[in-house]
Amino acid sequence: EVQLVESGGGLVQPGGSLRLSCAASGFTFSSYWMSWVRQAPGKGLEWVANIKQDGSEKYYVDSVKGRFTISRDNAKNSLYLQMNSLRAEDTAVYYCAREANVYYYYYMDVWGKGTTVTVSS
Amino acid sequence: EIVLTQSPGTLSLSPGERATLSCRASQSVSSSYLAWYQQKPGQAPRLLIYGASSRATGIPDRFSGSGSGTDFTLTISRLEPEDFAVYYCQQYGSSQYTFGQGTKLEIK
Repeated sequence: EVQLVESGGGLVQPGGSLRLSCAASGFTFSSYWMSWVRQAPGKGLEWVANIKQDGSEKYYVDSVKGRFTISRDNAKNSLYLQMNSLRAEDTAVYYCAREANVYYYYYMDVWGKGTTVTVSS
Repeated sequence: EIVLTQSPGTLSLSPGERATLSCRASQSVSSSYLAWYQQKPGQAPRLLIYGASSRATGIPDRFSGSGSGTDFTLTISRLEPEDFAVYYCQQYGSSQYTFGQGTKLEIK
């Protein structure tokens, strides 16, 4: 079964740091671009960052550039999101998502259940 | 940055009726880059449509997508009780993904 399982969420103070993890199983992790997508309470979806199969390319939404770092370990079938200088507006459910491996098509076909990050004093 | 605007914000319909959801882009979007997702409360989003009109694996044929350029539509031909949820469109451009703000489909 294709599966993504996020972990690492929790309560953190403003200015603090947190590292999210996403464990992949049931597919060849190293063959896919991977993304993080977040959803603030009662709000819509916001793409946060993605990373190429070999980690050589990474892209971020402007609001997290310089604060968040996406990375992966293909040997461990794992995706990570290092979040520094956290702000209240980073409070959200963070989803790990697999991007489609179809040339010239861009969408996310597998999603984890999410992990909750709360930034509050 | 391409902005996606979905309408209406909320759509109230009854089971068995037809639902038409709109997604309008601020600039032209390649059809290959346009997708639709369904999200139910407390759940992760689920891919419904990719490439503007192709159904994802396991999606019933009552769901269909259409459109091109700046105007895209998700149609649900005959609503089932399990279809009441929030729907998001998504596009890709300039190495970034963006989502519409969502349309909530509620039972009338």
